[in-house]
Amino acid sequence: EAGVTQFPSHSVIEKGQTVTLRCDPISGHDNLYWYRRVMGKEIKFLLHFVKESKQDESGMPNNRFLAERTGGTYSTLKVQPAELEDSGVYFCASSQVGTASYGYTFGSGTRLTVV
Amino acid sequence: AQSVTQPDIHITVSEGASLELRCNYSYGATPYLFWYVQSPGQGLQLLLKYFSGDTLVQGIKGFEAEFKRSQSSFNLRKPSVHWSDAAEYFCAVVGGTASKLTFGTGTRLQVTL
Repeated sequence: EAGVTQFPSHSVIEKGQTVTLRCDPISGHDNLYWYRRVMGKEIKFLLHFVKESKQDESGMPNNRFLAERTGGTYSTLKVQPAELEDSGVYFCASSQVGTASYGYTFGSGTRLTVV
Repeated sequence: AQSVTQPDIHITVSEGASLELRCNYSYGATPYLFWYVQSPGQGLQLLLKYFSGDTLVQGIKGFEAEFKRSQSSFNLRKPSVHWSDAAEYFCAVVGGTASKLTFGTGTRLQVTL
């Protein structure tokens, strides 16, 4: 089966611009998660979708970040306007079961650099 | 709140040498514990996980980890490291039915030939 796919793999944008990251989960996985790793720090939870609904968005840093999952398939994460501190690696993951105790399948991440 | 500490930011070992990566967690009850690895250009791959039962857990690629409740630790080990093991390793914890993983800051492993 295809894994979790993320686009683009790298993105370099200027401060103030908009960037949209995309995640295609494993087919049939209702649960989709976004995580972020800022340079040198831990990987942090951003939010959790169950199908098209946001189950938990407690990790979203501020209202410049907008996540959507229309139709319960792929998800997008938009940053508008981007700031320097948004640089990092954004990971997407998916799972059939809605608890982390079984582990997720992660994508390879999108490395975002804001200059 | 749960937390994970990986005290070693960077470790260098020679190929064929043994490896131990440290992980300490903080959680009020028995946690679910994980080790993930990220090789260059790859996603996070699950190496192994601990739920309950036997405290020594076997994973993929010849890795194992031991859960020690008294020390709140879940150290990752490998008896003989291969050059392809060079990567970044992350310890993570989740409690109960929670959906969020809490990660440590990662340990970057360099393997010298």
